[in-house]
Amino acid sequence: GENVEQHPSTLSVQEGDSAVIKCTYSDSASNYFPWYKQELGKRPQLIIDIRSNVGEKKDQRIAVTLNKTAKHFSLHITETQPEDSAVYFCAASSPINPRTSYDKVIFGPGTSLSVIP
Amino acid sequence: GAGVSQSPSNKVTEKGKDVELRCDPISGHTALYWYRQRLGQGLEFLIYFQGNSAPDKSGLPSDRFSAERTGESVSTLTIQRTQQEDSAVYLCASSLVPGRVGTDTQYFGPGTRLTVL
Repeated sequence: GENVEQHPSTLSVQEGDSAVIKCTYSDSASNYFPWYKQELGKRPQLIIDIRSNVGEKKDQRIAVTLNKTAKHFSLHITETQPEDSAVYFCAASSPINPRTSYDKVIFGPGTSLSVIP
Repeated sequence: GAGVSQSPSNKVTEKGKDVELRCDPISGHTALYWYRQRLGQGLEFLIYFQGNSAPDKSGLPSDRFSAERTGESVSTLTIQRTQQEDSAVYLCASSLVPGRVGTDTQYFGPGTRLTVL
C-alpha cells in the first residue's frame, strides 16, 4: 500500500523567511496530493493541492511542486508570518478500485512549523 | 453552507464503557471518512464510507471498533469496552465524490476528543 514520509518533523523559521516541507510517496499510481494546515486545537484545513498532470502550483505565498519521477512533492511558504505557525500534513491519494472510483488518501506524519516574530 | 459537524466535542469515559461518536457530513457528500489523531501525531485512517457501504474498513484497529452510516448522511463510530489507548481526537471528513477531479477534497469536522480514564 501507499506510504507517505514527511520531513522535517519540526521546523522553526524567522518571520519573513521561507519554509520548505518535503514529502515522498511510494505508490507510482498516486495522482492527487493535498496539503492540510492544522492549527492548535483546530480541524485540518486544505491549503493547496496538486494533481499528477502538473509540476507546480502557486497560490499567493504558498506553492507546491511535484516530481513524479522521484515520487516527491514539496510545500513552499514564502515571507512567513506568525499566523503560518501550525502543523502541516501532506497526503497522497491513489486509486484502489477503479470500479468504485475510491482513491485512498494517506497522510504524512506532519510537520510542526513555528514562525518566530 | 454548513460544514462537517461532530458530536460530542469532548467525551470523558471510564475504561470498559462503550462510546458513540457522531458525524454529520456536508449535505450531498457521498464519501465519509473517520480518522484517529493521537496527541501530537498524524492522521490515522480508520474507515471509509461510500454511500451507506464501507468498502474500506482496513484501518479499524480491533473488533471493538465499528461504524455505520445511514441515509447516506450521518455516521456513528462506536468503540466498545474502551481502553486508555483509545484516548485521542476522532476526526470525520467528507468529500463530494472521491476519485474525481474537483470533487475529491476532504473537508474535516472539528473532531471529538475522547479521554478514557
